[in-house]
Amino acid sequence: DTEVTQTPKHLVMGMTNKKSLKCEQHMGHRAMYWYKQKAKKPPELMFVYSYEKLSINESVPSRFSPECPNSSLLNLHLHALQPEDSALYLCASSQPGRSSGANVLTFGAGSRLTVL
Amino acid sequence: GENVEQHPSTLSVQEGDSAVIKCTYSDSASNYFPWYKQELGKRPQLIIDIRSNVGEKKDQRIAVTLNKTAKHFSLHITETQPEDSAVYFCAATDTGTASKLTFGTGTRLQVTL
Repeated sequence: DTEVTQTPKHLVMGMTNKKSLKCEQHMGHRAMYWYKQKAKKPPELMFVYSYEKLSINESVPSRFSPECPNSSLLNLHLHALQPEDSALYLCASSQPGRSSGANVLTFGAGSRLTVL
Repeated sequence: GENVEQHPSTLSVQEGDSAVIKCTYSDSASNYFPWYKQELGKRPQLIIDIRSNVGEKKDQRIAVTLNKTAKHFSLHITETQPEDSAVYFCAATDTGTASKLTFGTGTRLQVTL
């Protein structure tokens, strides 16, 4: 299995809702990432988990809460979002280290979020 | 932190011509430079990458060159085809426990018939 699977593909939520985005990979990768991508912009890093521990948080508002239950799963919990949070949320994974092939990111297809 | 600049922002070429996209980076510690292709509504997909211990890498019609002294790297696509039309992102990072990729702003490549 060489894929990163994200669910749901599309999500529409109100500003008072609580929802979660899910990401799964079975490539044995030990680093997992959340990126946010607005239209016509590059992906922006939000969070990095390395060996199931949060290693990077790019000053993301607390209404976004990541969780890494195990080495294959990554969640992003959403609460009290704003319309400007509407974007494509991309999950990615990689194998940490310095060997060749390390740190090559594999992206999921993304979850397109619309906040009303 | 790392800062990656990418040029041009849009590029239109005729089918069969070559396309070149250039990026510069600021952090001399960066040692891994991937290129991603993103078609409309799709995920970014790695098309080629280069590490700082080599100056050039080629994969069929795609090549990447790296000049560590000048801190710039370039993507070269030869014999362009309509299916090469997409947005291309360069990126740079210092590899370690986890990769904190910094992306360039993207180049929209349009290959016309």
